[in-house]
Amino acid sequence: GAVVSQHPSRVICKSGTSVKIECRSLDFQATTMFWYRQFPKQSLMLMATSNEGSKATYEQGVEKDKFLINHASLTLSTLTVTSAHPEDSSFYICSARDPGTEYQPQHFGDGTRLSIL
Amino acid sequence: GQNIDQPTEMTATEGAIVQINCTYQTSGFNGLFWYQQHAGEAPTFLSYNVLDGLEEKGRFSSFLSRSKGYSYLLLKELQMKDSASYLCAVVDSNYQLIWGAGTKLIIKP
Repeated sequence: GAVVSQHPSRVICKSGTSVKIECRSLDFQATTMFWYRQFPKQSLMLMATSNEGSKATYEQGVEKDKFLINHASLTLSTLTVTSAHPEDSSFYICSARDPGTEYQPQHFGDGTRLSIL
Repeated sequence: GQNIDQPTEMTATEGAIVQINCTYQTSGFNGLFWYQQHAGEAPTFLSYNVLDGLEEKGRFSSFLSRSKGYSYLLLKELQMKDSASYLCAVVDSNYQLIWGAGTKLIIKP
């Protein structure tokens, strides 16, 4: 089945550090990838839609200068949390839509647990 | 506005059957997904319904009634490993995925 790889799985760093998270579709080309954030015991919150070769579409309330998204190829999207602060600590998950399946389900990476000290 | 409702939490016994309901009100409808999410892990795809009726896949089945804006996920022969959150998500008219808050399922021996 479709596989999405996300790296790193866990990051612990000091406040003010910028952190880059990579999301790769391993066996299909994804023109669209999605970035979610999930706080403990809460539902997924879509942050932005990453479009290959164009600017990402951010959801309301998500700072695009804070959360930089780059989708330079059909298999890779990156999310950079710039100047991270403790309130940015969360579980970040990417997903990619599989165009090879009729209804194009989103397949998720394993997530990145970000802890800012 | 767009709205998806699921029960927050359900409890069931190992070996039993449980039905998790999902009702939705969205701008258009292009299908409904069910995902399973274990604590601390990412969601995994379970099922997709776009036409009315029941889709069966092993111990899991998913039902859809578009006229009622209603779906359910049926889990049979429950196992302890089925303890997880179950997320209902609807594809709206813009092909955006609208997520429910999820139902935490607790399985007791």
